[in-house]
Amino acid sequence: DVKVTQSSRYLVKRTGEKVFLECVQDMDHENMFWYRQDPGLGLRLIYFSYDVKMKEKGDIPEGYSVSREKKERFSLILESASTNQTSMYLCASSLVSSGFGNQPQHFGDGTRLSIL
Amino acid sequence: AQKITQTQPGMFVQEKEAVTLDCTYDTSDPSYGLFWYKQPSSGEMIFLIYQGSYDQQNATEGRYSLNFQKARKSANLVISASQLGDSAMYFCAAILTGGGNKLTFGTGTQLKVEL
Repeated sequence: DVKVTQSSRYLVKRTGEKVFLECVQDMDHENMFWYRQDPGLGLRLIYFSYDVKMKEKGDIPEGYSVSREKKERFSLILESASTNQTSMYLCASSLVSSGFGNQPQHFGDGTRLSIL
Repeated sequence: AQKITQTQPGMFVQEKEAVTLDCTYDTSDPSYGLFWYKQPSSGEMIFLIYQGSYDQQNATEGRYSLNFQKARKSANLVISASQLGDSAMYFCAAILTGGGNKLTFGTGTQLKVEL
């Protein structure tokens, strides 16, 4: 089974802090993703990566950055945390889809981040 | 722009009955993939079922089946013989080939199974 591990289930930080969320997958997947989940909005893509050192902006990248130095690890960075970044953060990984978009994403358990 | 619509914020179903969760999507791409995920209260996202746009038959996985109506752009999830453990949030999602493996989610349906 695919295992996607997020470093923390719950995290509390203060405004202005630099926050790191870590994600590790053990299935040699090329693709990795970071989402945030807010009630009534579903999951929204922040950043994704197709390969080591490659990154692409998702739908809501403002206030975030990412790092992928190794294939199995994808980090999300809140440069200067703000209260509107309080949310559930989910990491996912997948193989590269064929032309029919057929590879499911496998998710970690999520990190509930509170910014005070 | 790609969009996934789930019009049912909440649903109730009696144990052992079947339930249908609605999903419509908006795309002009001919090739795409449709997915359903389950999210229990504990928070993890669990992949349930996949349907490809060129698949001739509706996908099935155990008690889950996908009622795929391509012309209507709908991909409804059917859960047969509901169990208490099916109570969860359910998300419909899609990957477009033009989206480079990006998955776009609907806003979800909260399903409650009752005795």
